[in-house]
Amino acid sequence: DAGVTQSPTHLIKTRGQHVTLRCSPISGHKSVSWYQQVLGQGPQFIFQYYEKEERGRGNFPDRFSARQFPNYSSELNVNALLLGDSALYLCASSSSVGNTEAFFGQGTRLTVV
Amino acid sequence: DAKTTQPPSMDCAEGRAANLPCNHSTISGNEYVYWYRQIHSQGPQYIIHGLKNNETNEMASLIITEDRKSSTLILPHATLRDTAVYYCIVSGTSYGKLTFGQGTILTVHP
Repeated sequence: DAGVTQSPTHLIKTRGQHVTLRCSPISGHKSVSWYQQVLGQGPQFIFQYYEKEERGRGNFPDRFSARQFPNYSSELNVNALLLGDSALYLCASSSSVGNTEAFFGQGTRLTVV
Repeated sequence: DAKTTQPPSMDCAEGRAANLPCNHSTISGNEYVYWYRQIHSQGPQYIIHGLKNNETNEMASLIITEDRKSSTLILPHATLRDTAVYYCIVSGTSYGKLTFGQGTILTVHP
């Protein structure tokens, strides 16, 4: 069975540009969460979506947005990129919205220059 | 979510048990203890979680003290591939937010 898949794996963008990152959860999982991991730190929670609705939001600016599609895949969008947005963006899927184990993808490495 | 405290780094000899401690003295009654690990350049990997009883699976054992203020993750026979950053997380939100700290860098040496 395929695990959580994220695309692209690496991306280089210029300051001020917009980026869209994609995530496909494990088959049957209805919850997708997004995390940002800056070098040397643990992942920081950005969003959780369950059944296409936002269920949780971390302390990130409005430049960050996300959505979940009917097939439970998800997109993370970041507008007006800053150098500080350079990070590994991780997607995690789980079978339900609450306290269950989360399965992480390999992440998308975003570099903003 | 309750805050956790972990040692920044630990060493372990290959084949020996690795015991990773975590302090979560402000944990509340409905909060679970989760352990994840992250091998360099990969996404975090779920290891185990528990509420108040000790738990064991094919990867590890989780020992939670009776007052639930601390826990220990035990890798019974550490291998070189267990070298990773280990995160102890306490979560009780109604949704799946995981609050990662700095974790413990476990180095398993031959």
